[in-house]
Amino acid sequence: SYELTQPPSVSVSPGQTARITCSGDALPKPYAYWYQQKSGQAPVLVIYKDTERPSRIPERFSGSSSGTTVTLTISGVQAEDEADYYCQSTDSSGTYWVFGGGTKLTVL
Amino acid sequence: QVHLEGSGGGVVQPGGSPRLSCTASGFTFRNYGMHWVRQAPGKGLEWLAVVSDDGSNKHYADSVKGRFTISRDNSKSTLYLQMSSLTSEDTAVYYCAFSGYSSGFDQWGQGTLVTVSS
Repeated sequence: SYELTQPPSVSVSPGQTARITCSGDALPKPYAYWYQQKSGQAPVLVIYKDTERPSRIPERFSGSSSGTTVTLTISGVQAEDEADYYCQSTDSSGTYWVFGGGTKLTVL
Repeated sequence: QVHLEGSGGGVVQPGGSPRLSCTASGFTFRNYGMHWVRQAPGKGLEWLAVVSDDGSNKHYADSVKGRFTISRDNSKSTLYLQMSSLTSEDTAVYYCAFSGYSSGFDQWGQGTLVTVSS
């Protein structure tokens, strides 16, 4: 089965830049998506189609793609950004959806 | 405003066969493919199944294929997940979700908890 690989944890101080990677053999096509999930809440889409940001998501969230790795970048991290982040994509046929294992972002 | 209301969760005995429902409002349900995603306690998100807008195409994750059945009733704007042969590993919050504009999961229900326990 297709897998997406994320680091289990990333830690940054407030105001610094956090980068969370996601690797998968089928990337960069199909697209990758990123979700933020805070404790006890449903996930929220923060990046879609590798680099697009929903209108209500702050500009400090951005996405990029290079080879078989996509990256979520949070510039000027704030305490409220502390959450779990998941990448998501599909297999090469577009038939099966898959999530990465998730990365816990800690704001020191 | 899009709203997805999940129901049907609770405590289920091992081997049980509950049916989850997800009732949609605020959008034209019949126009969108719908998904189920679950999250075991303290674990990550796991995609389970998708059904096409007209219900004719369905795909499942290997972990639930043959045990879970996704379906929908467009006349009732409701998505279903029929579960069977449950074990403790199926204990999770079950979310319904779909793509409204992004091709990703930009709309989520609030989740319904299924606890498999004797």
